[in-house]
Amino acid sequence: DTGVSQDPRHKITKRGQNVTFRCDPISEHNRLYWYRQTLGQGPEFLTYFQNEAQLEKSRLLSDRFSAERPKGSFSTLEIQRTEQGDSAMYLCASSLAQYEQFFGPGTRLTVL
Amino acid sequence: DAKTTQPPSMDCAEGRAANLPCNHSTISGNEYVYWYRQIHSQGPQYIIHGLKNNETNEMASLIITEDRKSSTLILPHATLRDTAVYYCIVRVVSRGNTPLVFGKGTRLSVIA
Repeated sequence: DTGVSQDPRHKITKRGQNVTFRCDPISEHNRLYWYRQTLGQGPEFLTYFQNEAQLEKSRLLSDRFSAERPKGSFSTLEIQRTEQGDSAMYLCASSLAQYEQFFGPGTRLTVL
Repeated sequence: DAKTTQPPSMDCAEGRAANLPCNHSTISGNEYVYWYRQIHSQGPQYIIHGLKNNETNEMASLIITEDRKSSTLILPHATLRDTAVYYCIVRVVSRGNTPLVFGKGTRLSVIA
């Protein structure tokens, strides 16, 4: 399968713990996006990379969130000191330049 | 905020055409109409997009009105696997960052 992959698919953690998610985009795609989706809502944009450069961050991305894309390949999203309000599906998408975005299956985070 | 309005839910009989409407009365001349769908517990899936001409691919047809203020996504022969939330999105396609802005979409239920 050459689509976007995300790991883990599910993560349960206790409040206050740190978590890290990984996204592997489609290999030739230079753009990578992170979105968050809560129950009953559509996905909301968090941040965007073009190659290894993080070019935009949404106001939803608090200081507890950090994302990286070393070498312009895979990306990680870390949440420090998790809160119950962080419980959501975290979606990664990639695209070739400005064309359509292809999404991964998501990582579902539950903060107890 | 999303720039589109969609009905919250629709039903369709299996084998019949599903016609999903979308209102985007404030669309700008350089904004495309995109459709994505999200099957339960999966990431969004790209379906089709268009600027002003009608478009067709292997998944669906997109009909855009002449004034571009509304559009209809047509699934010609709906199957049970088409049950999903369908999102209509207007988006500028540019060389910069253009994240997708999702609304709540239309929940399509295909009934046997």
